[in-house]
Amino acid sequence: DGGITQSPKYLFRKEGQNVTLSCEQNLNHDAMYWYRQDPGQGLRLIYYSQIVNDFQKGDIAEGYSVSREKKESFPLTVTSAQKNPTAFYLCASSILGTGEAFFGQGTRLTVV
Amino acid sequence: GENVEQHPSTLSVQEGDSAVIKCTYSDSASNYFPWYKQELGKRPQLIIDIRSNVGEKKDQRIAVTLNKTAKHFSLHITETQPEDSAVYFCAAPPGTGATNKLIFGTGTLLAVQP
Repeated sequence: DGGITQSPKYLFRKEGQNVTLSCEQNLNHDAMYWYRQDPGQGLRLIYYSQIVNDFQKGDIAEGYSVSREKKESFPLTVTSAQKNPTAFYLCASSILGTGEAFFGQGTRLTVV
Repeated sequence: GENVEQHPSTLSVQEGDSAVIKCTYSDSASNYFPWYKQELGKRPQLIIDIRSNVGEKKDQRIAVTLNKTAKHFSLHITETQPEDSAVYFCAAPPGTGATNKLIFGTGTLLAVQP
């Protein structure tokens, strides 16, 4: 079954702890992205990657880190430096040059 | 960088009526304009897109129009049905460079009243 998978669906963490969100795709897409979704603010780009071992900051990268060691995987770490980490996080992938993004089902992170 | 504005933020229509959502973008070099639908608790999914070499594209009850001069594009849904109720997002990529990254509008919550 092809697609893009995020895990877990729900995640709870204590304030001050780092947490890593998983994103895996078997669509053979070169590009992968992380978006944050807050009510009334749409989807804001955190980081994106167009090729293995390379990634760029999006509009709201502060307090986040990523890695792209494999084409299939693009994990996102929410660090303790992120001031307001509670949000819905969406991972996406696409074929370079086509534009269409395929989204995972999202991870809802709650920091208490 | 690219800035995408979307209006209205909420839209309520009666079943069978039409719905129109409008987006404006700032980068005149942008060349791809998709629309995504996100049902409650689900992932966004592409419903229609248009490239800058055409002015209109239609797929059954949905259509997208593009005005490059004015830098705006619109989603039109005709004969709305309750299952059209969802949040709709427009997006546009920066026109410069080779990046695929999409900049999204803030979303429109469409409610179709039966």
